[in-house]
Amino acid sequence: AQSVTQLGSHVSVSEGALVLLRCNYSSSVPPYLFWYVQYPNQGLQLLLKYTSAATLVKGINGFEAEFKKSETSFHLTKPSAHMSDAAEYFCAVSESDSWGKLQFGAGTQVVVTP
Amino acid sequence: EAQVTQNPRYLITVTGKKLTVTCSQNMNHEYMSWYRQDPGLGLRQIYYSMNVEVTDKGDVPEGYKVSRKEKRNFPLILESPSPNQTSLYFCASSQAAFSTDTQYFGPGTRLTVL
Repeated sequence: AQSVTQLGSHVSVSEGALVLLRCNYSSSVPPYLFWYVQYPNQGLQLLLKYTSAATLVKGINGFEAEFKKSETSFHLTKPSAHMSDAAEYFCAVSESDSWGKLQFGAGTQVVVTP
Repeated sequence: EAQVTQNPRYLITVTGKKLTVTCSQNMNHEYMSWYRQDPGLGLRQIYYSMNVEVTDKGDVPEGYKVSRKEKRNFPLILESPSPNQTSLYFCASSQAAFSTDTQYFGPGTRLTVL
């Protein structure tokens, strides 16, 4: 069974600093990987996804993530944080036989300080 | 505008009083799903539907029912709500049940069972 671990339930970054959110998965085969963002009082919105094409994936709002099979990781980064990046971020995985089911990590709350 | 809508957005009820949370999508998606979000646990799948009249259990189906009589609608039914069903609920849809498909989420329904 697959599982997802997000290191750090809360992350505080300064405006303009690097944003790094960590995600590790456990799966018997390389899964498909997703990052979603949840702004306050809103539903989840897809940031980016890895579907076995390029290992470096670029998403919306300047975010990108790199799939590293050897490390079973899919960390999310953004070079320069904006105040508008304050939100909760979820890493999720799915496997080819999972009928669309997403397995989510516990989430990381990002706070951006001026 | 392509969207997933849920109603109500907020609901406070009492133990044992049957309730229904509606979900509707206007994207002609085949796949729909319900998740619940609890602090520290991320999102967990309750039920999913591959198409009209085709539904199946997710990871936490106890105490919930669903139906899919029309392609656009996927209501979540709590026949006899209990306090442990207090949670934030999300409906999601995608074009199909492929594991690479992007799922689109509704705005969420915050349910409190007293």
